[in-house]
Amino acid sequence: KQEVTQIPAALSVPEGENLVLNCSFTDSAIYNLQWFRQDPGKGLTSLLLIQSSQREQTSGRLNASLDKSSGRSTLYIAASQPGDSATYLCAALSGTYKYIFGTGTRLKVLA
Amino acid sequence: SAVISQKPSRDICQRGTSLTIQCQVDSQVTMMFWYRQQPGQSLTLIATANQGSEATYESGFVIDKFPISRPNLTFSTLTVSNMSPEDSSIYLCSVEDRLAGAGLHEQYFGPGTRLTVT
Repeated sequence: KQEVTQIPAALSVPEGENLVLNCSFTDSAIYNLQWFRQDPGKGLTSLLLIQSSQREQTSGRLNASLDKSSGRSTLYIAASQPGDSATYLCAALSGTYKYIFGTGTRLKVLA
Repeated sequence: SAVISQKPSRDICQRGTSLTIQCQVDSQVTMMFWYRQQPGQSLTLIATANQGSEATYESGFVIDKFPISRPNLTFSTLTVSNMSPEDSSIYLCSVEDRLAGAGLHEQYFGPGTRLTVT
């Protein structure tokens, strides 16, 4: 059974810092790994999707990497801004074609 | 990418009543899902809404408590029945954008419905 965990659970950084969010999954036989952003009380916004055959995807200041063999994905945020403050969720698609979500990382970027 | 709307955006309901949440997508999609996000928690899949047939429920969720309809490829409803305070959550509709032959299964989410049961 796939389990997805995210470390750290919460993170507070000053504006301008580069930061890395971690996502671990127990079953390496995944099809996709998707990163989302969730603002308080809101739905999820898709940030990046990495297919199992890919190692990374980039969008603007965001870069997501995938290492299936070690069961890890990272989301790198460059030059963080207060507007980046949100909860970041990763989700792994495997086996039964259902996404299993991680526990999330609450990010606060201080001005 | 699909654009998804949900109604209502939030509601406060009394114990023992039922609430139906609507999900509308701007394009035809094969897969639609309903998730629950309890306060401070991550997302838990309730069921897959199947067009023209009964929904497929995950372990711990039953049709009597969460009846789902999917009359066509752009619309679904989730009813939370006989509510208790433990049902207070955000309920999220999502769709999967599955590109034929490309192997992509990207999910998109609606804005969610924040339910409070008193």
